[in-house]
Amino acid sequence: AQSVTQLGSHVSVSEGALVLLRCNYSSSVPPYLFWYVQYPNQGLQLLLKYTTGATLVKGINGFEAEFKKSETSFHLTKPSAHMSDAAEYFCAVKNFNKFYFGSGTKLNVKP
Amino acid sequence: DTAVSQTPKYLVTQMGNDKSIKCEQNLGHDTMYWYKQDSKKFLKIMFSYNNKELIINETVPNRFSPKSPDKAHLNLHINSLELGDSAVYFCASSQERTGIASGELFFGEGSRLTVL
Repeated sequence: AQSVTQLGSHVSVSEGALVLLRCNYSSSVPPYLFWYVQYPNQGLQLLLKYTTGATLVKGINGFEAEFKKSETSFHLTKPSAHMSDAAEYFCAVKNFNKFYFGSGTKLNVKP
Repeated sequence: DTAVSQTPKYLVTQMGNDKSIKCEQNLGHDTMYWYKQDSKKFLKIMFSYNNKELIINETVPNRFSPKSPDKAHLNLHINSLELGDSAVYFCASSQERTGIASGELFFGEGSRLTVL
């Protein structure tokens, strides 16, 4: 069975600080991994995805994530948080055309 | 041009009523989905259609009935609405060509259903 665990339902950082949102997954086959962002009252928007190849993936808005097979992790990072990054972030794994989402992490950015 | 559009965006109704939510995508994708997001933001797959054929049907009450008239449209009809049906319902689409399984989901803006 596939599952996605996001550690920390709420993460709070200061503007300009490093953002680290954690995601661990379980998968019986090599996974496709995704991070989505959801702003208030909006749908989910793709930040980045890992399919094959380079394990460090760059996405929009300065975010990146690294696929670590040995740790079954796909943590999302951004070197310097901006106020506009405040949103809900979802990690997802895709197997056989089915997406499994984590429970989400709400990122709060303090001025 | 909105890629995945759903209507209505807000729906407030009484228990026991029947309501529908419509979804259209103009991305040329072959697969469409309905997701339910509860008050804790948890996203749960409900249905998925590939080229008008139902391929995912999770444990969802029979009161929920999806319909896909063509591959660009996926509607959701809900009978006898209950308080627990209150949630945000998201339509999404993806391209799932044979041999290329890494397609991502494109989401609509969501339809917030409130059952009183």
